[in-house]
Amino acid sequence: SQKIEQNSEALNIQEGKTATLTCNYTNYSPAYLQWYRQDPGRGPVFLLLIRENEKEKRKERLKVTFDTTLKQSLFHITASQPADSATYLCALEGYGQNFVFGPGTRLSVLP
Amino acid sequence: GAGVSQSPSNKVTEKGKDVELRCDPISGHTALYWYRQSLGQGLEFLIYFQGNSAPDKSGLPSDRFSAERTGGSVSTLTIQRTQQEDSAVYLCASSLARSSGGSTDTQYFGPGTRLTVL
Repeated sequence: SQKIEQNSEALNIQEGKTATLTCNYTNYSPAYLQWYRQDPGRGPVFLLLIRENEKEKRKERLKVTFDTTLKQSLFHITASQPADSATYLCALEGYGQNFVFGPGTRLSVLP
Repeated sequence: GAGVSQSPSNKVTEKGKDVELRCDPISGHTALYWYRQSLGQGLEFLIYFQGNSAPDKSGLPSDRFSAERTGGSVSTLTIQRTQQEDSAVYLCASSLARSSGGSTDTQYFGPGTRLTVL
């Protein structure tokens, strides 16, 4: 069955460092992979989308990589700030298939 | 412009009662999704509507769950004879289109309805 794993349930890093979150999947061939941010009591908010034929995507301090051979996506936040503290979800979508979300990683950026 | 809205924000009900959750998607969005998120869990897909097509109900956990979308806009998720395991946050999302291959697949989420079944 399809399975999506995100690295540790929680990740603590020091302000200013680069946070790296991992999304691994099995038994799935996604056409697209998206990353969302979710704050407590709120719905997820879209951050970045990367297609299967793209290796890397950037947006301001965010960078996403997508390796379909390793079946893995890495999500980086550079120069992290306490305001970046949230839960980050990866979501996969295959052609004509519904989105499948990972369980999320709760990131805490410590001042 | 207005985002996706959901009501009520919180619902407490007794086991065995029926509940209705409402979602108002972003105007012009043809795709509408319902998800369930339990404490510490990822989003669980429930049902998807696209325009006037038959909904994809493949994620509904039991026949106690149903949803409709009237006039291609507002959607209602109904849970009959609620059970304690139905307690979760129910999230609605909408997007411009579906599987178009581009950024229009981005889903915009509402704030969710927190359902507690006693």
